[in-house]
Amino acid sequence: NAGVTQTPKFRVLKTGQSMTLLCAQDMNHEYMYWYRQDPGMGLRLIHYSVGEGTTAKGEVPDGYNVSRLKKQNFLLGLESAAPSQTSVYFCASCLLAGGPRSTGELFFGEGSRLTVL
Amino acid sequence: RKEVEQDPGPFNVPEGATVAFNCTYSNSASQSFFWYRQDCRKEPKLLMSVYSSGNEDGRFTAQLNRASQYISLLIRDSKLSDSATYLCVVTSGGGADGLTFGKGTHLIIQP
Repeated sequence: NAGVTQTPKFRVLKTGQSMTLLCAQDMNHEYMYWYRQDPGMGLRLIHYSVGEGTTAKGEVPDGYNVSRLKKQNFLLGLESAAPSQTSVYFCASCLLAGGPRSTGELFFGEGSRLTVL
Repeated sequence: RKEVEQDPGPFNVPEGATVAFNCTYSNSASQSFFWYRQDCRKEPKLLMSVYSSGNEDGRFTAQLNRASQYISLLIRDSKLSDSATYLCVVTSGGGADGLTFGKGTHLIIQP
């Protein structure tokens, strides 16, 4: 059971380049999330999805787009990368259909370290 | 006032000692509370929930003080492997829009 898998794990981009981070979960979870984690800032929610075909904005959505074409996959796109997007990105999914607030349990991927030069 | 605040530390504690740290929250309507653990360069993982009556899991005890709006985590007989960053989570109401994490308290257990 792989759980939550993120690819790539490391990437270096130049300003203005585009890229897509892929999150895949094999637990049949409905809810999926993209966070970024920066020193001194903690984890901040970028976008999330409550099911296939649906997405919603989180706390820091600007500069990112997402898609959930298949239940098991949640893609995070950077159309024109900026140095401010240098961060560690975590994908997470939730077990219960009622959302993570009841159990508090989000299952995280191992993270993707992105550097924008 | 920030929604969730934690002392970033680091807390340097000798092995075998007891250590405790708090997390304060601003929303008095908050209903659910959790502690996560994050090892260096790893993903966060749920450590334990915090119930109104407090709860204990082995060497770990979590407590909630609604009057003063904080939760606490106490670790007894600390081990080297307890070295990590501990993130608190405070939520209010239901919904799917994720969890809000504190910035974390860094704990270093020294031999």
